[in-house]
Amino acid sequence: QPVLTQSSSASASLGSSVKLTCTLSSGHSTYIIAWHQQQPGKAPRYLMNLEGRGSHNKGSGVPDRFSGSSSGADRYLTISNIQSEDEADYYCETWASNTHVFGGGTKLTVL
Amino acid sequence: EVQLLESGGGLVQPGGSLRLSCAASGFTFRSYAMRWVRQAPGKGLEWVSVISNSGGSTYYTDSVKGRFTISRDNSKNTLYLQMNSLRAEDTAVYYCTKGVSSTWNDAFDIWGQGTMVTVSS
Repeated sequence: QPVLTQSSSASASLGSSVKLTCTLSSGHSTYIIAWHQQQPGKAPRYLMNLEGRGSHNKGSGVPDRFSGSSSGADRYLTISNIQSEDEADYYCETWASNTHVFGGGTKLTVL
Repeated sequence: EVQLLESGGGLVQPGGSLRLSCAASGFTFRSYAMRWVRQAPGKGLEWVSVISNSGGSTYYTDSVKGRFTISRDNSKNTLYLQMNSLRAEDTAVYYCTKGVSSTWNDAFDIWGQGTMVTVSS
């Protein structure tokens, strides 16, 4: 079963960009993942799914500031022109072998 | 507008049972896989169970196998999670989520607002 590794925290200044990383475990580098955002006190929100070749499909209403890319076993979520409302926890997930797996999440702080 | 509305959470003693419901609207419920995801207080997201669009395929995380049962009633546009033999470690907010296709092995793109389950004596 795949394992997803995320940094526990990240920070970025208002108006800047940040790139969050989700790393797939060995043997699972081609897997599709999904990114979800969870703002404080709210339910999670689907942002996009992301293939190994970097192509992605964003959820309804997700701003263009959010984009995805891939390199090997790494899946990235880039947020451009960061706004205060982007301060949130970001989770990646994947699915295989009759199971779904979430990463531990990255807490993004907007400075 | 696509909506998922969970209900049925509450306080239950260890060893007790609860049934969660998720009422779906705004999409053709019978065409999509559905799942439950939970989040313990202050913790990350944990997948609990998934069901295909027809209900013919169901899967569970190891910690709930034999205790939880996922089901759906496509005539009522409702997803269920029957939870038996509840333990303190089942305490969490339970979210209902909608798949992007009929199958369990795909992304899930819509989340409900969640319902809190507290297992305590």
